[in-house]
Amino acid sequence: DAGVIQSPRHEVTEMGQEVTLRCKPISGHNSLFWYRQTMMRGLELLIYFNNNVPIDDSGMPEDRFSAKMPNASFSTLKIQPSEPRDSAVYFCASSSFLAPSHTDTQYFGPGTRLTVL
Amino acid sequence: TQLLEQSPQFLSIQEGENLTVYCNSSSVFSSLQWYRQEPGEGPVLLVTVVTGGEVKKLKRLTFQFGDARKDSSLHITAAQPGDTGLYLCAALYGGATNKLIFGTGTLLAVQP
Repeated sequence: DAGVIQSPRHEVTEMGQEVTLRCKPISGHNSLFWYRQTMMRGLELLIYFNNNVPIDDSGMPEDRFSAKMPNASFSTLKIQPSEPRDSAVYFCASSSFLAPSHTDTQYFGPGTRLTVL
Repeated sequence: TQLLEQSPQFLSIQEGENLTVYCNSSSVFSSLQWYRQEPGEGPVLLVTVVTGGEVKKLKRLTFQFGDARKDSSLHITAAQPGDTGLYLCAALYGGATNKLIFGTGTLLAVQP
């Protein structure tokens, strides 16, 4: 399997611009997670989907952030407008969610390093 | 609010030394996982522990889940440069969710 695919790997943009990050989960996985990692705050969950439905978006910092999962093989995380404090590495992860009592394994993509000038 | 505290935050040791990393919380977990992250890559799962008092071994790595399921430790014997990376614990708090909370991380550097 190809693993979780993220694009772009690196993104440099100017403050105020729109940024769209893309993720292709592992085929057959039904859960998808978006994380943000910074030195100061560590790895934070932004939002996650089960069966393409957003389950918990309590980690989304503010209205400038939005995420969609139009189908089982694609998700986007959009920041509009972007700000310098959004600079971070954004990870997408996917897993096969069987039941609430089951601990699934999350498979992470390589991340997108975002720099907002 | 960070629910999972890891210690130490940074650790630099010589090849061949032993070390222990800790993961603590005031909450009870239904299960706990340890991940390792190498530079420029995403975290990779090392182990999952689900039973209080459980001990799992992965070559030179020993993982222990506290009896009360509030804490965990990772012990590495005879560390090697290939063990260098960021170690993250992650907890599943149960209920009808598969949401993980990640710890603050321990950055390990093993010098040859």
